Amino acid sequence: DAKTTQPPSMDCAEGRAANLPCNHSTISGNEYVYWYRQIHSQGPQYIIHGLKNNETNEMASLIITEDRKSSTLILPHATLRDTAVYYCIAGARRDSNYQLIWGAGTKLIIKP
Amino acid sequence: NAGVTQTPKFQVLKTGQSMTLQCAQDMNHNSMYWYRQDPGMGLRLIYYSASEGTTDKGEVPNGYNVSRLNKREFSLRLESAAPSQTSVYFCASSGLQINYGYTFGSGTRLTVV
Repeated sequence: DAKTTQPPSMDCAEGRAANLPCNHSTISGNEYVYWYRQIHSQGPQYIIHGLKNNETNEMASLIITEDRKSSTLILPHATLRDTAVYYCIAGARRDSNYQLIWGAGTKLIIKP
Repeated sequence: NAGVTQTPKFQVLKTGQSMTLQCAQDMNHNSMYWYRQDPGMGLRLIYYSASEGTTDKGEVPNGYNVSRLNKREFSLRLESAAPSQTSVYFCASSGLQINYGYTFGSGTRLTVV
């Protein structure tokens, strides 16, 4: 699985868009980019995933560069409850399951 | 509510004691996983089960055993607990479709003294 690189921490003002970058320069063609977040010490929560195209759902948008070497997770209107550790992971389906290798993530702090 | 249920939520063990962490999912997922998370770190895969009847080692399997009891249940056993196994343990499951990724349980906080 491709290794991902994220900044260890970021701040964002409440109500503004939070843009979380991720580098995955060694990603292979069949590997998806996944984003999860972990609030306090709860179990991680799935946010979004993508392969080539930009994706949007009710939680966030995912922008993947054309060369697929980096991506950005966008939380359009951050709230205090979005304070969490955000994990960017590149992984592929193997043997009928998806094995994801987790890094340390980005600690996002939303400030009032 | 549908999801992944882990028991117990908290546990303190003495060095050398054994215990089993239980995990059950009700989403008809084929694959199940056990992760550990140490403070300030990401998750590390201990064991996984791609489907009922199969189990495989992950990144950090030493000191652990698993059993995929049926499609719903996947247990993790510590035969002789060591202080290095103090961690938060998460169980997760996933279906063949990747649309929703992994679903995680709420974790078991284990302390070995």
